[in-house]
Amino acid sequence: EVQLVESGGGLVQPGGSLRLSCGASGFTFGRYEMNWARQAPGKGLEWVSYISSSGTIIYYADSVRGRFTISRDNAKNSLYLQMNSLRAEDTAVYYCARDPGGNSGFADYWGQGTPVTVSS
Amino acid sequence: DIQMTQSPSTLSASVGDRVTITCRASQSISNRLAWYQQKPGKAPNLLIYQASTLESGVPSRFTGTGSGTEFTLTISSLQPDDFATYHCQQYNSYSWTFGQGTKVEIK
Repeated sequence: EVQLVESGGGLVQPGGSLRLSCGASGFTFGRYEMNWARQAPGKGLEWVSYISSSGTIIYYADSVRGRFTISRDNAKNSLYLQMNSLRAEDTAVYYCARDPGGNSGFADYWGQGTPVTVSS
Repeated sequence: DIQMTQSPSTLSASVGDRVTITCRASQSISNRLAWYQQKPGKAPNLLIYQASTLESGVPSRFTGTGSGTEFTLTISSLQPDDFATYHCQQYNSYSWTFGQGTKVEIK
């Protein structure tokens, strides 16, 4: 069974940093492209970042480029999102999501999400 | 960036109703559109990809149509488990963009 489990969310002050993790199981993690997406309270979904299976190709949403860094460790079956210079508008539930393959461009599995609150 | 406009934002319907949700792209995305269902406090669940391909395990009452800039999700006979929020998502270009969501509520 495919499972994605996010962790690392919490309360942080504006300007602070957090590192989110996503642990994967039930599939060969290193063969799949991965994404982070988020959902602010009461709002729609927003894509945040993409990383290829090898980690060599990375994309970011304009709203986070230069502040967030996506990475992965295929040996540890883990995906990460380093978030720096956090702003109130980054408050959201953050999801990791698997692209089913071949740069399909959608997500067939999502984690349960980890909440991030940016507030003083 | 490609913008996705979803309508309506809220839809009130009864069990057994036929329901249609529309998603419009600001430019052509061919058939590179997905639909997700999301229940409160839960992650999105993939229903349809490539505009009309049903994800494995999704009931056949869900149908996706369209190409280019206009797309629809139809639920042929609404079931109690279908009351949820539905999101469209384009993947013509990296970055993805989502519609604002359609909440299907009980009439």
